[in-house]
Amino acid sequence: DQQVKQNSPSLSVQEGRISILNCDYTNSMFDYFLWYKKYPAEGPTFLISISSIKDKNEDGRFTVFLNKSAKHLSLHIVPSQPGDSAVYFCAASVGGAQKLVFGQGTRLTINP
Amino acid sequence: DAGITQSPRHKVTETGTPVTLRCHQTENHRYMYWYRQDPGHGLRLIHYSYGVKDTDKGEVSDGYSVSRSKTEDFLLTLESATSSQTSVYFCAISESRVAGYTFGSGTRLTVV
Repeated sequence: DQQVKQNSPSLSVQEGRISILNCDYTNSMFDYFLWYKKYPAEGPTFLISISSIKDKNEDGRFTVFLNKSAKHLSLHIVPSQPGDSAVYFCAASVGGAQKLVFGQGTRLTINP
Repeated sequence: DAGITQSPRHKVTETGTPVTLRCHQTENHRYMYWYRQDPGHGLRLIHYSYGVKDTDKGEVSDGYSVSRSKTEDFLLTLESATSSQTSVYFCAISESRVAGYTFGSGTRLTVV
């Protein structure tokens, strides 16, 4: 039972344009959501997070949107740069143990 | 990240042998986690720890055990390795929900 789903295995975007990565979840108890970026042969690195009491959080070129009624979150990257090419994971948590449930990941490729 | 290291980085082992992976942190964080990454599954939680000698199971804990005798070390043991445990294993530490996890660089384990 996949509680967090990223339905697009891959996404290709032109440099300078907007990249939009999507994530759906099924557990309405999730109260914190995060995005991670992963390069080959490295561990994932934290990008941005959002609490369920908010619907938007912005950090530089990265913005995360949360639509609780649709159980959907998205990550916008503007403008996209070649260094953004990586695998992106969304994750969600509930409770004090800070356990994260991850999606399957989306491979983003930024084309020059 | 310099605050968390995993060893070994790569290991090939034979079916039926026990294997221990080590995670070491210098951040004095309370929470530590072991995940495995497999294509199509993202990252899945194996076990986690919320303090010295305090551990609990994740969603894919069968065939794995953990120990945490010191704050800085979290060991993952495959009791009798099987080919289905061929994977990339990541350790993570957590300070707060807002900051998310810090991941190690991973251990690529191949069971032949």
